[in-house]
Amino acid sequence: AQSVTQLGSHVSVSEGALVLLRCNYSSSVPPYLFWYVQYPNQGLQLLLKYTTGATLVKGINGFEAEFKKSETSFHLTKPSAHMSDAAEYFCAVTRISSGSARQLTFGSGTQLTVLP
Amino acid sequence: ETGVTQTPRHLVMGMTNKKSLKCEQHLGHNAMYWYKQSAKKPLELMFVYSLEERVENNSVPSRFSPECPNSSHLFLHLHTLQPEDSALYLCASSRDSGQSSYNSPLHFGNGTRLTVT
Repeated sequence: AQSVTQLGSHVSVSEGALVLLRCNYSSSVPPYLFWYVQYPNQGLQLLLKYTTGATLVKGINGFEAEFKKSETSFHLTKPSAHMSDAAEYFCAVTRISSGSARQLTFGSGTQLTVLP
Repeated sequence: ETGVTQTPRHLVMGMTNKKSLKCEQHLGHNAMYWYKQSAKKPLELMFVYSLEERVENNSVPSRFSPECPNSSHLFLHLHTLQPEDSALYLCASSRDSGQSSYNSPLHFGNGTRLTVT
């Protein structure tokens, strides 16, 4: 079984401040991990993914995430928030054994607000 | 242009109506999905089609009926819905071989906002 926990359903940061969105996963087998972003009135868009190899993964729009196996975490960060980053962010996990999107489990999402 | 197009964008229907949601993908993918997104809940996978064959049905009530006539089109037929079915319905597609498809993540449409009155 696998699960995803996103700590904090709402996060507010000032423009230019560090963005940190937390994601912890539970998986009985090695995971693939993803971050998706959903802008208002749109579907989800892939930000970045971890499969194998380097544990620090860079994505679009200046976001990055680090896979920490010992902490079962995959937190999303961005050094300097921009107003356009305001959106809802979803962490997701799937099993390496299948790798299939059919087995993707999503977290409940974190709404990011960027204050001027 | 997201590559995955959903129509209509908004739908209001009564509990006795019959309507259909449509999804079309132009990405050459072979798997398509229906998700339900309700406020403050994780995305719920409803149905998966791979190579036009239904491979997943997550205990969805029979008032939701999917149809996948070919690898580019996916429908969700709705009838006798309940107010709690009001949600954003998202279609997605991917290149899915059943295994090792991690290099082909989901591509989502913009969704249909459904309101059942």
